[in-house]
Amino acid sequence: SAVISQKPSRDICQRGTSLTIQCQVDSQVTMMFWYRQQPGQSLTLIATANQGSEATYESGFVIDKFPISRPNLTFSTLTVSNMSPEDSSIYLCSVEEARQGGWGYTFGSGTRLTVV
Amino acid sequence: GQQVMQIPQYQHVQEGEDFTTYCNSSTTLSNIQWYKQRPGGHPVFLIQLVKSGEVKKQKRLTFQFGEAKKNSSLHITATQTTDVGTYFCAGLRDYKLSFGAGTTVTVRA
Repeated sequence: SAVISQKPSRDICQRGTSLTIQCQVDSQVTMMFWYRQQPGQSLTLIATANQGSEATYESGFVIDKFPISRPNLTFSTLTVSNMSPEDSSIYLCSVEEARQGGWGYTFGSGTRLTVV
Repeated sequence: GQQVMQIPQYQHVQEGEDFTTYCNSSTTLSNIQWYKQRPGGHPVFLIQLVKSGEVKKQKRLTFQFGEAKKNSSLHITATQTTDVGTYFCAGLRDYKLSFGAGTTVTVRA
């Protein structure tokens, strides 16, 4: 399966600042997905990032708050802008690939963000 | 919008016992996937079910997809301490994956 390197693994940030999360995949993929997992909660899709086009955002998420870059087929960044304590979450990037057991998503190890 | 409901939210199991977690969708799904997230970890893909009525097994784990492709279950037999974690189902419809709330499993030795 794909190996996804995500960094930083964790960060503590001041409110009002921005954090950029990087995601590097060891193979070329068409789509990369960004998820948010609030403490003790399920995963919510933020946006889908395609190379060469603007990201597609889900309801409740906007580009000004979560700008995404996708400069090539192996890399993407998600920026959490103008942070508030409500943005404290785990942010995960993922790719879809064929696995033993069927098609599924492989996730990066996540970025644990705390906003103070 | 599509919602995937999962019950129970918590499952406390005696080591060696069996348990089942259930997943229900309000709409027909293209497929359903199951993931496991260990405490402090990230979700790890377990299985994908595509066909109506499909049953797949992975050692002590049995996954089922309902005939109407709206529900699914995960049954674990002879629970071990290594089964601790949160199990998520995720339904695919219109190319979007929607995750259930998860079942968090703890095991009493």
